Amino acid sequence: DGGITQSPKYLFRKEGQNVTLSCEQNLNHDAMYWYRQDPGQGLRLIYYSQIVNDFQKGDIAEGYSVSREKKESFPLTVTSAQKNPTAFYLCASSIYPRVDLWGTEAFFGQGTRLTVV
Amino acid sequence: QQQVKQSPQSLIVQKGGISIINCAYENTAFDYFPWYQQFPGKGPALLIAIRPDVSEKKEGRFTISFNKSAKQFSLHIMDSQPGDSATYFCAAVPGANSKLTFGKGITLSVRP
Repeated sequence: DGGITQSPKYLFRKEGQNVTLSCEQNLNHDAMYWYRQDPGQGLRLIYYSQIVNDFQKGDIAEGYSVSREKKESFPLTVTSAQKNPTAFYLCASSIYPRVDLWGTEAFFGQGTRLTVV
Repeated sequence: QQQVKQSPQSLIVQKGGISIINCAYENTAFDYFPWYQQFPGKGPALLIAIRPDVSEKKEGRFTISFNKSAKQFSLHIMDSQPGDSATYFCAAVPGANSKLTFGKGITLSVRP
C-alpha cells in the first residue's frame, strides 16, 4: 500500500537533547512538508521541500532542521534550541510542489507525538 | 498574524442537522481553498476544495460556499452524522506556491 509513514508514533525527549523524526513516502511525490500541530493553533508549517536536495523554511523553522537526500525521505530534527518542542508533528507530501494545481492534494502521515520530559 | 481565521471554535450539532463552519482570509493572493478533516490521532485528509472562480461546490453532503468580495468561505455539512465528528481545518494557498496556510481548526461533535 502506498502512503506516508511517520515513526515513531510517540517520542519522549529529555531537555537539551536533539531528536529526529522519520518521514518516508512511497508515493513518488516530489514535495514533502513538516507541520507542527498544537491545541488551538492549527497546523503551522516548519519546513518544506519541493525537490531532492532542496528545502525551504516555513513559518516556524527556528529550532528545527531537515534534510532531503532521497526523494522518499524527509527527516526532521528537533534541536535543543527549540524552546517548546512538545507537540504533534505531521509530515505530508504532494505529487507536485504546487498544491493549488487541480488534482493535487497534500497527503498526511499519522503523526508523531513528541513530549519533553 | 493569522492569515486564515475560522469560526466558531467548536460546534455541537444534533444528528441530521446542518453543520456550518466559516473561514475568512486577508491575503488576496490566495486562490485555492481546501478543507481538511482530521480524526483523533490521525493526520488530516482532504475533504473538498474550491477556487474563487466558482461560488459553490458540492460533493455529497459537503458543500463549500465562496464569497470572493467578502473574502470568506464556508463548509456546510448536510444531514450531519456522528461519524462526521472530527476537527475541520480550512486552508488557503497562493498561486504558484506549495505553502498551505491553515486555520486553527474547529472541533465538530455530532450528537446521536
